[in-house]
Amino acid sequence: DQQVKQNSPSLSVQEGRISILNCDYTNSMFDYFLWYKKYPAEGPTFLISISSIKDKNEDGRFTVFLNKSAKHLSLHIVPSQPGDSAVYFCAASAGTYKYIFGTGTRLKVLA
Amino acid sequence: GAVVSQHPSWVICKSGTSVKIECRSLDFQATTMFWYRQFPKQSLMLMATSNEGSKATYEQGVEKDKFLINHASLTLSTLTVTSAHPEDSSFYICSATIGTGDTGELFFGEGSRLTVL
Repeated sequence: DQQVKQNSPSLSVQEGRISILNCDYTNSMFDYFLWYKKYPAEGPTFLISISSIKDKNEDGRFTVFLNKSAKHLSLHIVPSQPGDSAVYFCAASAGTYKYIFGTGTRLKVLA
Repeated sequence: GAVVSQHPSWVICKSGTSVKIECRSLDFQATTMFWYRQFPKQSLMLMATSNEGSKATYEQGVEKDKFLINHASLTLSTLTVTSAHPEDSSFYICSATIGTGDTGELFFGEGSRLTVL
């Protein structure tokens, strides 16, 4: 049972445009969410987080939105840059450091 | 941000041998470290939670006798793949927490690619 789902395995976006990566979860106990960026053969790099008491968190070009009623979160990257091309994972936890990861979305930003 | 380092980054071994992968927190003390495994085009799968000075907690379906985890100090956790077989070939990643609360950032190592011939 996949508790955290990223239904789009890949996404292509033109440089300068907005990239929107989506993540759905099923466990209503999840209360903390993270987004990670991963390059091939490297460990994930933390991007941004959001707790369930918020519905939006912004850090530079990255904004994460949380819709608790829909059990959905999204990562917006504006403007997208070629260096943003990577695999993005969302992860969720229920009050502990034990995170469940989604399957990832491969973002390709076209120059 | 905090730095977590893994070694080796890539190891090739013969079937039946054991391989040890180290995970170190370089600039902070990590009470808890986590070990993940990633198959090609799949998500990170949590294998076990490693606590300093105590036995690791393994996720369901992970063989604790196969994947030995030792958290000898606040800055070092090791994963030993015993009697490795080709199906153990994978990308292994560790992470560590820096916070004292229940949730927060995880800092990941660079990962270790294991190839078993």
